Amino acid sequence: DGGITQSPKYLFRKEGQNVTLSCEQNLNHDAMYWYRQDPGQGLRLIYYSQIVNDFQKGDIAEGYSVSREKKESFPLTVTSAQKNPTAFYLCASSIGGNRAETQYFGPGTRLLVL
Amino acid sequence: AQSVTQLDSQVPVFEEAPVELRCNYSSSVSVYLFWYVQYPNQGLQLLLKYLSGSTLVKGINGFEAEFNKSQTSFHLRKPSVHISDTAEYFCAVDVRVGGTSYGKLTFGQGTILTVHP
Repeated sequence: DGGITQSPKYLFRKEGQNVTLSCEQNLNHDAMYWYRQDPGQGLRLIYYSQIVNDFQKGDIAEGYSVSREKKESFPLTVTSAQKNPTAFYLCASSIGGNRAETQYFGPGTRLLVL
Repeated sequence: AQSVTQLDSQVPVFEEAPVELRCNYSSSVSVYLFWYVQYPNQGLQLLLKYLSGSTLVKGINGFEAEFNKSQTSFHLRKPSVHISDTAEYFCAVDVRVGGTSYGKLTFGQGTILTVHP
């Protein structure tokens, strides 16, 4: 089955620790996105990538980093500089090419701070 | 910059009743418009989208939405809801530049629809 997988489902972070959230897609999509979801605030864009080896900051990139070394993978690292990381993180992908294509979402990772 | 406002944070309705979830947007340029649904602890799924053409858009699960350019609205409607429609619904916009977009979605705050038996 084609789709987007995110792992782990739950992730616990200690103070001062960097953690990495995985996102993999087998849809052959060029574009991938990371969103953060907080209750009552909708989804906010962290980073996005329209093509391999290229990515841009979204609206709330501070304290996060990404890489896009392979078309199918777009991992997100939550660094110790992110002071309020507790949230639900959603990865998405689309065909790309700036054509307002549908974004397909993964099941999400819930990050909690110990 | 564009913004999206969903006017109701929660909408309770009884089963088989009609429902309307309201969405207004602000943008200095043309936009593409989307409605997504999220079931508890899951990702989002596209319900419908407006790109151009007819202002009445039909989506999955019996939902439809109407684009009103003069009122900058894109309200979601369903004539008769079911228990299984209980979920959170998000309106989103993507800025349109010529015939293409930036590929970046701006989401509203979400509306929780609860359908009671």
